[in-house]
Amino acid sequence: NAGVTQTPKFQVLKTGQSMTLQCAQDMNHEYMSWYRQDPGMGLRLIHYSVGAGITDQGEVPNGYNVSRSTTEDFPLRLLSAAPSQTSVYFCASSRFWQRASDTQYFGPGTRLTVL
Amino acid sequence: DAKTTQPPSMDCAEGRAANLPCNHSTISGNEYVYWYRQIHSQGPQYIIHGLKNNETNEMASLIITEDRKSSTLILPHATLRDTAVYYCIVRAEYGNKLVFGAGTILRVKS
Repeated sequence: NAGVTQTPKFQVLKTGQSMTLQCAQDMNHEYMSWYRQDPGMGLRLIHYSVGAGITDQGEVPNGYNVSRSTTEDFPLRLLSAAPSQTSVYFCASSRFWQRASDTQYFGPGTRLTVL
Repeated sequence: DAKTTQPPSMDCAEGRAANLPCNHSTISGNEYVYWYRQIHSQGPQYIIHGLKNNETNEMASLIITEDRKSSTLILPHATLRDTAVYYCIVRAEYGNKLVFGAGTILRVKS
């Protein structure tokens, strides 16, 4: 298994541009989520999904959209990039969404800079 | 989710055991204690988790006090590659939300 993969690894945008961060997992996991991590801080939850067709907001959802058309993919869209969205973005997945005993696996991250 | 308190940083000599404490005094009976670590801006890596009993795997041991208000992650023989930020997270029984605090920066020194 490749696990959780993210593309691109690095991205530079100008203010106002839009783009999509890709996340995929090949473990048939129900639950997928997006986090952002600002310098020197812990991760904050942006959006999550408990299965195909079902998404919900996390702690910091403003400025981001998600969709889950397949079990494998969970793209994160920045609608109109702002410098405040400069961050490292991590995607995570776990097998089931209900069980706290289930572990989450994280991707390698996408480093985004908005100028 | 219960809040956790960790020391901001710790040092450990290479080859010695690293003991990382975590306080979670408001934990409820059905909440799990999880430990993750993050090595130099990589994605967080799962280490271990537990509910009541002490747990051990190939990476570490988790000691949870009887009242469950605190726990200790033990890396038995720390190496330079264990230098990372370690996060203690208390997680509700239902739902997958992980709430990350600032964590503990562990520096393993030769």
